[in-house]
Amino acid sequence: DAKTTQPPSMDCAEGRAANLPCNHSTISGNEYVYWYRQIHSQGPQYIIHGLKNNETNEMASLIITEDRKSSTLILPHATLRDTAVYYCIVRVVYTGNQFYFGTGTSLTVIP
Amino acid sequence: DADVTQTPRNRITKTGKRIMLECSQTKGHDRMYWYRQDPGLGLRLIYYSFDVKDINKGEISDGYSVSRQAQAKFSLSLESAIPNQTALYFCATSDPRGLAGVEQFFGPGTRLTVL
Repeated sequence: DAKTTQPPSMDCAEGRAANLPCNHSTISGNEYVYWYRQIHSQGPQYIIHGLKNNETNEMASLIITEDRKSSTLILPHATLRDTAVYYCIVRVVYTGNQFYFGTGTSLTVIP
Repeated sequence: DADVTQTPRNRITKTGKRIMLECSQTKGHDRMYWYRQDPGLGLRLIYYSFDVKDINKGEISDGYSVSRQAQAKFSLSLESAIPNQTALYFCATSDPRGLAGVEQFFGPGTRLTVL
């Protein structure tokens, strides 16, 4: 079941912030928001996850709205190597529940 | 991730042939997964295993079987390959303990073509 909705594609200028939106209006109280990315045809790579508070790590920031129905992944200074497909996933953490990757957003960073 | 390896990396076969894709990991993780990815689509889960004695069907298990020979090895078999099984196949691992439990580590993928 598609639990998230993402735009199919986005462009971003190199050096600028890339803001990738995700809608998850049916998210449950115990479901986390995860972001992964897939560069070319490599295996997906974990980026960040969060429940309701904003999160930041060395790769990105995750902003979750107060009602938790949407979130935004922010790559603060996009580089050409950030060109990839970005997947937003909701899932109960630490359970056997599957990751449903959906079709993601294809981000192209433009020189 | 070099800790998760897949063999072969590329394979071309004919309809009706039996094919085995192998996955090995040195991360010491209990959980292993097999996904397939079709062009322009996201990953779909085929099978997953939480330990050597635990095998579970995923979203699209029909036409596939798996074997968890050891903690480090998880094989995917196509008993009689058909053209619509042409896809990119990924193996992944995870550890349910601590922060690592949220992350899946993926292998480099196997590109399978069934003629």
